[in-house]
Amino acid sequence: AQRVTQPEKLLSVFKGAPVELKCNYSYSGSPELFWYVQYSRQRLQLLLRHISRESIKGFTADLNKGETSFHLKKPFAQEEDSAMYYCALSGRDGGTSYGKLTFGQGTILTVHP
Amino acid sequence: NAGVTQTPKFRILKIGQSMTLQCAQDMNHNYMYWYRQDPGMGLKLIYYSVGAGITDKGEVPNGYNVSRSTTEDFPLRLELAAPSQTSVYFCASSYLLTGELFFGEGSRLTVL
Repeated sequence: AQRVTQPEKLLSVFKGAPVELKCNYSYSGSPELFWYVQYSRQRLQLLLRHISRESIKGFTADLNKGETSFHLKKPFAQEEDSAMYYCALSGRDGGTSYGKLTFGQGTILTVHP
Repeated sequence: NAGVTQTPKFRILKIGQSMTLQCAQDMNHNYMYWYRQDPGMGLKLIYYSVGAGITDKGEVPNGYNVSRSTTEDFPLRLELAAPSQTSVYFCASSYLLTGELFFGEGSRLTVL
């Protein structure tokens, strides 16, 4: 069975400080990992995906297959980064999990001025 | 272009009542999903559909039914509501099986 774990329910940092939201996963096949974000009073939306290898709003995430992790990082947090962040996994290998996301519990990030 | 629209946004049900959560998308997406989110938990997949007339169970389907008569609509039916179904329900759609889901605003359901 696949599983996504976000060990921190709450994370607080000050503006300008580095931030790292942790995500660990368990999946026997070839995974595809995502970060979704929900800002206050907005819909859940895709932030980034590991296969794109891009930086969105200053955030990056690297898939580490050895540690089965996909941590989200930003070197200098901004107040507008305050939101709920979800890590999610989908199978890439055409199995029963293909195209269906398994979500972690979410981390509420608060960036203080 | 409204995206994914869910109704109602809030609802209180008594135990044993039935109701339907409506979901519609105007992006011509083939794939549609229903998730539930319990407090402090991640989203869990209830049902999904890969096209009109085709639906399948997700991780937590018990107590729910779905139908997909058109590409646009994917209603979720709760029969005999139970307190365990108190949750926030999210409908989502996607164009491809790429993991990029477009979500509705959510429907908060309380069963008393």
